[in-house]
Amino acid sequence: QVQLVESGGGVVQPGRSLRLSCAASGFTFSTYAMHWVRQAPGKGLEWVAVMSLDGTNKYYAESVKGRFTISRDNSKNTLYLEMNSLRAEDTAMYYCARDLSKLRFCDYWGQGTLVTVSS
Amino acid sequence: EIVLTQSPATLSLSPGERATLSCRASQRVSSYLAWYQQKPGQAPRLLIYEASNRATGIPARFSGSGSGTDFTLTISSLEPEDFAVYYCQQRNNWPITFGQGTRLEIK
Repeated sequence: QVQLVESGGGVVQPGRSLRLSCAASGFTFSTYAMHWVRQAPGKGLEWVAVMSLDGTNKYYAESVKGRFTISRDNSKNTLYLEMNSLRAEDTAMYYCARDLSKLRFCDYWGQGTLVTVSS
Repeated sequence: EIVLTQSPATLSLSPGERATLSCRASQRVSSYLAWYQQKPGQAPRLLIYEASNRATGIPARFSGSGSGTDFTLTISSLEPEDFAVYYCQQRNNWPITFGQGTRLEIK
């Protein structure tokens, strides 16, 4: 069955960096685009970034553009999110999600990893 | 950026009743709209994609309709497990955006 397991979250000071990982299993990772979506505590969903199946295309939300970088290693079935210059407003649960057949909807989600940006 | 406005913010109904949730887009999104369900402490679950297609394993009591700017998620007869928060999402234009959510609570 499809499994997505995020890791790498934690408490980090403003201005510092963090790298999230998402380990995928149960499907052919290299044939799916992948997303990051976040949710601040008690708030709604915010789409963060998407990467095409081969890594050639990436799109970002304006709120993270220039600070966050999405990447993937298809040989390791792993998606990454490199987060730099973190701000308090980046505090959220970060979910990775599989793209539904290039439709840019998310059909499978991980359980998330919590990032807290605080001094 | 396309803004999705969901209404009502909270919907109070009883099991067995029919639920109708609305999502209005600030620009036309064709049929490129999805609905998700999220329960407390859980990840979202895809219910409906491309406005009216049920995702794998989603019960037939969930249905979606609409195109352009106005969309509806209908739950024909509420089961106890359906009380949750529901989000719509568009993918017609970058960036992908979500609505603010509708909380469906037990009356």
